[in-house]
Amino acid sequence: DVKVTQSSRYLVKRTGEKVFLECVQDMDHENMFWYRQDPGLGLRLIYFSYDVKMKEKGDIPEGYSVSREKKERFSLILESASTNQTSMYLCASRSPTGVNEKLFFGSGTQLSVL
Amino acid sequence: GESVGLHLPTLSVQEGDNSIINCAYSNSASDYFIWYKQESGKGPQFIIDIRSNMDKRQGQRVTVLLNKTVKHLSLQIAATQPGDSAVYFCAENKDTGRRALTFGSGTRLQVQP
Repeated sequence: DVKVTQSSRYLVKRTGEKVFLECVQDMDHENMFWYRQDPGLGLRLIYFSYDVKMKEKGDIPEGYSVSREKKERFSLILESASTNQTSMYLCASRSPTGVNEKLFFGSGTQLSVL
Repeated sequence: GESVGLHLPTLSVQEGDNSIINCAYSNSASDYFIWYKQESGKGPQFIIDIRSNMDKRQGQRVTVLLNKTVKHLSLQIAATQPGDSAVYFCAENKDTGRRALTFGSGTRLQVQP
């Protein structure tokens, strides 16, 4: 089975801090994604990456950046955390489009910004 | 102060009954649809998917129906069990060029014993 691992289950940070959320997948998937999940709003796409060193903005990229230096790892960066970034963050990976479009998700990181 | 999110629709069913969860999608050009189940404290888990060249697909105890005329997707769960209690999300590849999934806001299924 595909395993997508997010490094932290819970994080508490202060406003203005730089925050790194790490995600690792073990299935050699080219595509990786970061979503945030808020009550009643479903999952919203922040950024995604088709391959190493490639990244594209999703629907809500403001206040975030990403890094994909290795195929298995996709990092989400909050340059200066704000309280409205308090949320559940979900990482996902997928084999190349056209083969299987199903996303495999990690367990999520609940981030609280105080 | 505390922020209040949008209300999550809830479907309450008796154990053993069939459940039907509905979803309206937005893009008539979407060609792939998928249902996920999310239990408390876990990430979403794949249930079943369907491509736009089909109108029905069956899995184990689950069936997905696609009505492209009215842009409607439904998930049917047969003989609902307590372990089916979760939040269910539908998703579509709304931006067919980008091929990234766009998710609905979810429906909470509560199974009463």
